[in-house]
Amino acid sequence: EFQLVESGGGLVKPGGSLRLSCAVSGFTISSYSMNWVRQAPGKGLEWVSSINSGSRYIYYADSVKGRFTISRDNARNSLYLQMNSLRAEDTAVYFCASGPGGTTGYYFDYWGQGSLVTVSS
Amino acid sequence: SYELTQPLSVSVALGQTARITCGGGNIGGKSVHWYQQKPGQAPVLVIYINNNRPSGIPERFSGSNSGNTATLTISRAQVGDEADYYCQLWDSSTGVFGGGTKLTVL
Repeated sequence: EFQLVESGGGLVKPGGSLRLSCAVSGFTISSYSMNWVRQAPGKGLEWVSSINSGSRYIYYADSVKGRFTISRDNARNSLYLQMNSLRAEDTAVYFCASGPGGTTGYYFDYWGQGSLVTVSS
Repeated sequence: SYELTQPLSVSVALGQTARITCGGGNIGGKSVHWYQQKPGQAPVLVIYINNNRPSGIPERFSGSNSGNTATLTISRAQVGDEADYYCQLWDSSTGVFGGGTKLTVL
């Protein structure tokens, strides 16, 4: 069974940093794009960042560009999101998701249960 | 930046057909994907690349995409279909989600 498990969320002060991890089991991520999607409390889904299978192509939403860094370790079957200069508006549940990527763009076929990040003083 | 417009809510009688729209400029020229999200749960992909169902998704779920509107159709709606539904596409190296539609089955 495919499992994606996020960790590393928590309470952080504005301006602080956090690193989210996503551990994957049941399939090898090396052939797939990996992605982060977030959802603020009571709001809709917001795409955050994507990375292709070989880490050659990396994309960010404008709202996080320059502050967040996505990375992956295919040997560890894991995905990461380094979040710096956090703001109150970054408060959300962060989902890790896999997907095929490719010529039709990125979409998200398997999702983790999410990790809550709260930015507050 | 590209925007996707969804109705805030759609209601359907039990056993009838629900249609949830997703509007965007020339969306028919793009690949649209749909997700179902129930309260407190992660989203689930129900349609990919306009009209393809992942394994395990009932045939009652179908998709279409033409002109400026993509549509998710749920036939023979069940109480278990009550959820938020989101359309999504990839445009100019950016992921874009619609605002989401709450489906109520009466």
